[in-house]
Amino acid sequence: EVQLVQSGAEVKKPGESLKISCKGSGYTFTNYWIAWVRQMPGKGLEWMGIIYPGDSDTRYSPSFQGQVTISADKPISTTFLQWSSLKASDTAIYYCARRGFYSSQRHFDYWGQGTLVTVSS
Amino acid sequence: EIVLTQSPGTLSLSPGERATLSCRASQSVSINYLAWYQQKRGQAPRLLLYGASNRATGIPDKFSGSGSETDFTLTISRLEPEDFAVYYCQHYDNSRLTFGGGTKVETK
Repeated sequence: EVQLVQSGAEVKKPGESLKISCKGSGYTFTNYWIAWVRQMPGKGLEWMGIIYPGDSDTRYSPSFQGQVTISADKPISTTFLQWSSLKASDTAIYYCARRGFYSSQRHFDYWGQGTLVTVSS
Repeated sequence: EIVLTQSPGTLSLSPGERATLSCRASQSVSINYLAWYQQKRGQAPRLLLYGASNRATGIPDKFSGSGSETDFTLTISRLEPEDFAVYYCQHYDNSRLTFGGGTKVETK
């Protein structure tokens, strides 16, 4: 069974760093792109970036370039989303999602359960 | 950059009614790269349709999709209580992933 399991909720202060994770199982981790998606309170879905764990090829949304870092650790089948200095406006739920296998498949068939990040002084 | 505009923002309907949701792209897109998702309160999004009209695994045939170029439609033939949720369209091409703003289907 394919699963994406994300790390737990975080409460941080502005200026702190954070790294959240998304562990894939039930499939060949290195063969599928993984995207990160933000959902601010009461708002819609925003694409942040996407990584191919096989070679760590990473693409960022222009809105998030330089604001976050996406990485992957193949031996533990896990992708990460990290911030070096959080802001209150980073308060949101963050989802990871797996893209379809073939290059023609531009949809996301499995999603993590989401990680709530709260940034407050 | 492609922008997806969904309408209406909110759709107020009763169980048993038909729901028609629109997704309009700012420029022509390939139907292969257009997908729809359902998000219930407190849950992660769930893939409904891909390639504009192909149902994902386990999705009932009350959900259907159509359209081409710039205009796409998600239809729910007869609303059931579990269908009241927010629906998003999504496009991904040239390493850019875009979501529409969502349509909330609420109980009238």
